[in-house]
Amino acid sequence: AQSVTQLDSQVPVFEEAPVELRCNYSSSVSVYLFWYVQYPNQGLQLLLKYLSGSTLVKGINGFEAEFNKSQTSFHLRKPSVHISDTAEYFCAVSETNAGKSTFGDGTTLTVKP
Amino acid sequence: NAGVTQTPKFQVLKTGQSMTLQCAQDMNHEYMSWYRQDPGMGLRLIHYSVGAGITDQGEVPNGYNVSRSTTEDFPLRLLSAAPSQTSVYFCASSYIAGVWYEQYFGPGTRLTVT
Repeated sequence: AQSVTQLDSQVPVFEEAPVELRCNYSSSVSVYLFWYVQYPNQGLQLLLKYLSGSTLVKGINGFEAEFNKSQTSFHLRKPSVHISDTAEYFCAVSETNAGKSTFGDGTTLTVKP
Repeated sequence: NAGVTQTPKFQVLKTGQSMTLQCAQDMNHEYMSWYRQDPGMGLRLIHYSVGAGITDQGEVPNGYNVSRSTTEDFPLRLLSAAPSQTSVYFCASSYIAGVWYEQYFGPGTRLTVT
């Protein structure tokens, strides 16, 4: 069985500051890793994904994430956030031989002016 | 493409009533799934389907039924609504492209059971 832990439920940050949203996972098999963003009253949208290859993955809106297999982590980072980045962020893991995804509980990023 | 569509957007039910949440996708995706989202609990998988005629249970299937008669549609049925089913429901679809499964989500249905 796979599981995902998002270490921070809420992250407040000032505009133009850097941010890191932390995600750890556990699985007994190889996995794919995803970050999704959910803006208020909307569905989830894919930010970025790790399938294989380079451990540093770049996504939309200036976000990037680094896969660390030894620490089973997939932290999301952005060097300078905007007010418009205020949203809920979900980390998800899928086993490579199955289509089901397991989601973390989410991290609410609030960017203050 | 409309992507993944869900109807209705909002619904209020009384305890014991039944209803069907509709989900449709026009991307010819094989894989479809239903999640519920509750505050502080992320998304939990209710049921999923890997193709027409094939469905399976997810993490929280009790109180819900699904069927998949076509590739495009994947309705979720609440048999006898309970207040514990008050939640936001998301449908998602993805193509099984050999090695990975990016999911496309609908806008959600906000259900309140009184």
